[in-house]
Amino acid sequence: AQSVTQLGSHVSVSEGALVLLRCNYSSSVPPYLFWYVQYPNQGLQLLLKYTSAATLVKGINGFEAEFKKSETSFHLTKPSAHMSDAAEYFCAAGSGNTGKLIFGQGTTLQVKP
Amino acid sequence: KAGVTQTPRYLIKTRGQQVTLSCSPISGHRSVSWYQQTPGQGLQFLFEYFSETQRNKGNFPGRFSGRQFSNSRSEMNVSTLELGDSALYLCASSSRGLETQYFGPGTRLLVL
Repeated sequence: AQSVTQLGSHVSVSEGALVLLRCNYSSSVPPYLFWYVQYPNQGLQLLLKYTSAATLVKGINGFEAEFKKSETSFHLTKPSAHMSDAAEYFCAAGSGNTGKLIFGQGTTLQVKP
Repeated sequence: KAGVTQTPRYLIKTRGQQVTLSCSPISGHRSVSWYQQTPGQGLQFLFEYFSETQRNKGNFPGRFSGRQFSNSRSEMNVSTLELGDSALYLCASSSRGLETQYFGPGTRLLVL
């Protein structure tokens, strides 16, 4: 069965520092991959998605992710963290042609001033 | 376009009761998926409806059910509520399923 693993349930960075959130998937066939962000008491907002058109995907708010098939990874990065980036981030994978996403356990990003 | 809406936003029920949650997808979207979010289990897929048919189902007991109407609005029902059903229930819509899913704000259910 397909699974998604996010390494690190909590990541803390200083404002202005690099953000790196890790995601690995298990699938013999590259799935559709997504990163979502969730702010307190809100739903999920799409940051970016991998569509196989390009391995480096740019998303909103300065985030980007690189798909590496050899490592089955889809890590999320942002060059310079902002206080407003503090939230919970979810990596998700889907396959086939149905609306079923498998989510990682989430990573809470803390940004220190 | 208006986003995905869910009603009610908050709900308090007691054990043994049943509850119905509603989700209105983005106009033109025919796929609605439901997820349960809890601190312990994270985000888990409940089921997906496409053109009024359940197309996929997660590993939840039969107490969890859903349906979709001809206007793509969807409802999920939980019967005989248990304390462990306390969660944030999220629905997401997309045009056909595996494209980008857009999430609603969720319904927070508390079972006492």
